[in-house]
Amino acid sequence: TQLLEQSPQFLSIQEGENLTVYCNSSSVFSSLQWYRQEPGEGPVLLVTVVTGGEVKKLKRLTFQFGDARKDSSLHITAAQPGDTGLYLCALGRYSGGGADGLTFGKGTHLIIQP
Amino acid sequence: TAGITQAPTSQILAAGRSMTLRCTQDMRHNAMYWYRQDLGLGLRLIHYSNTAGTTGKGEVPDGYSVSRANTDDFPLTLASAVPSQTSVYFCASSDLPGSEAFFGQGTRLTVV
Repeated sequence: TQLLEQSPQFLSIQEGENLTVYCNSSSVFSSLQWYRQEPGEGPVLLVTVVTGGEVKKLKRLTFQFGDARKDSSLHITAAQPGDTGLYLCALGRYSGGGADGLTFGKGTHLIIQP
Repeated sequence: TAGITQAPTSQILAAGRSMTLRCTQDMRHNAMYWYRQDLGLGLRLIHYSNTAGTTGKGEVPDGYSVSRANTDDFPLTLASAVPSQTSVYFCASSDLPGSEAFFGQGTRLTVV
C-alpha cells in the first residue's frame, strides 16, 4: 500500500499570513487529489493534479505537483479564518483487481486566527 | 441536492450489540466506500464496492460487513460491536473507482 506523508500535522497562523503544506510519497503516483474537511462534515474535493510539474490555482490556493510525481504542495496566500480546516491529500488504491478506493494522508490541521 | 445521505448521524451502542449504518447516494455512481476516521490515524478504508453486486475488503475490514444489492445503497453492518469500533464513519461514492469521491456527513458511533 502506497503511503502518503503530510506535513506539518498542525499549523496555526494569523489571518493574512501565507502558508504551505506538503504531501509526499516514497513512490511515484499517477495523480493526486486534495480535499478539505470542516468540523462535522465529510471531506470535499478541492483539486486533482495529474501532470508532473502541474500548477493549479483555486482563488488564493495554489496546488503544485512535483516534477518527479512523488510530492505535492498546497500554498495559501493571505489566509482567512474561512480557510480553517483539515487538508487531506489522497491517491487511488490499486490491488490486483484494479482501483478500489482512495488512500488518504493523515492531513494537516490548519487554524487561521482572526 | 442530496448527494450522499447517511443515517443515523450519531449513535451510542452497547458492546456486543449489532448495528447497521445506512448510506444512500442519488448520483448513480458506480463505486461506493466506507471509511472510518480516528484522531491520529486519519481516514481508513473499511470496505468498498466498485459496482452493484460486488464488494471488497479495504484496509480495516475486520468486524464489519457490507452488501451492495443495488446502485444506490451500501449499508455497513457491525455484527457484534466492540469499543474499538468507536469512530466517525463516512460513506462515499465516486463515478469510477479511485476518482473524485463525494462524502456523506458522517455517523458518529460510540460503543460503550
